[in-house]
Amino acid sequence: GESVGLHLPTLSVQEGDNSIINCAYSNSASDYFIWYKQESGKGPQFIIDIRSNMDKRQGQRVTVLLNKTVKHLSLQIAATQPGDSAVYFCAESNNNDMRFGAGTRLTVKP
Amino acid sequence: GAGVSQSPSNKVTEKGKDVELRCDPISGHTALYWYRQRLGQGLEFLIYFQGNSAPDKSGLPSDRFSAERTGESVSTLTIQRTQQEDSAVYLCASSLGRQGFRMKAFFGQGTRLTVV
Repeated sequence: GESVGLHLPTLSVQEGDNSIINCAYSNSASDYFIWYKQESGKGPQFIIDIRSNMDKRQGQRVTVLLNKTVKHLSLQIAATQPGDSAVYFCAESNNNDMRFGAGTRLTVKP
Repeated sequence: GAGVSQSPSNKVTEKGKDVELRCDPISGHTALYWYRQRLGQGLEFLIYFQGNSAPDKSGLPSDRFSAERTGESVSTLTIQRTQQEDSAVYLCASSLGRQGFRMKAFFGQGTRLTVV
């Protein structure tokens, strides 16, 4: 089900380092995945997506990796900046449903 | 409009009162979602509308919660007899559809509801 009643896991990185945020999804039939970034006081914003027929997709400073064998999704942020501090959510869809992961709070230390 | 618009942005209400939250989705988006987000927590699905199909209400936590949508436009989420546990940010999102890439959802800024 949805991530309800869970306090968010946290990841703390040094500015300039690379960040890796992980997400385990639940449905092997899911065929489309999205990463969202939510800054404090704002709604989630789309970062990058990937379809199940791909295992890697790159954007500007971000890379999403998909491992369907173990149902694992990761978001890599290169040269992390203070502005990257936020909560990151993954979402999976399977043609008739969309589910969000619990989210990870990323804190970037100067 | 250019994005999903929600109103009000903040709402403080007394316990026991009814509240109505509004969402204006992106024009042309047939799918609309409501989520609840408690402080420091993840997204809790409430309800989903897709075109003229019957809404998916499976996430509504109690019969005090209801939502309506007029065609493919505005949606209102109503909470009756509010309780302090209803305090949260209520997020609305819309997408082109509910299959594959069409599910890419765009979120509004949310309505922060505080029940005192």
